[in-house]
Amino acid sequence: GAGVSQSPSNKVTEKGKDVELRCDPISGHTALYWYRQSLGQGLEFLIYFQGNSAPDKSGLPSDRFSAERTGGSVSTLTIQRTQQEDSAVYLCASSTSNRGTEAFFGQGTRLTVV
Amino acid sequence: AQSVTQPDIHITVSEGASLELRCNYSYGATPYLFWYVQSPGQGLQLLLKYFSGDTLVQGIKGFEAEFKRSQSSFNLRKPSVHWSDAAEYFCAVVLMEYGNKLVFGAGTILRVKS
Repeated sequence: GAGVSQSPSNKVTEKGKDVELRCDPISGHTALYWYRQSLGQGLEFLIYFQGNSAPDKSGLPSDRFSAERTGGSVSTLTIQRTQQEDSAVYLCASSTSNRGTEAFFGQGTRLTVV
Repeated sequence: AQSVTQPDIHITVSEGASLELRCNYSYGATPYLFWYVQSPGQGLQLLLKYFSGDTLVQGIKGFEAEFKRSQSSFNLRKPSVHWSDAAEYFCAVVLMEYGNKLVFGAGTILRVKS
């Protein structure tokens, strides 16, 4: 597609269940980011993939959060044993490998944990 | 701690008035600097960016920003605000020392009154 695609757009899950959020970056973009945006909060960095390098996982809030990127393209963010505080909009972005180039954002997945 | 600071959580301006949104960073080297806008129900869109050279950069929608090394600032300005500018604005930096990680400030919500 022409832009960054995220699915699902909305997800309601019960506390304690696992969820998977998907991101399809722009074709050819080697950098991929995940952010979390909670109500009234800024964009909290979660994880960053750059090509074949080891991902920067420094923003993952707990070991319940993990992400992978298969074949340098699609990425999946997994949250295990979801908690109510995980409720937020999860945003994915991608960019080319050139430093400082624009990151293009998806529309996000709104996760609600009930 | 290294950070991107947007000191104003909310700003209200009258339509037609000038606007300045503040952004400060506290990294050792000059990072790549960005301003993004998030309109209600929309994804994030790049307004402008600074890498090097002329410290006054022009962006879309009539916005500009000035990089001031001595103040570690990258403030966003617009001479005359339109009602459609009501949105949340995020300052962001790419940290070259950290493999091009893109980090955002907390955001400033702009309200425009007629």
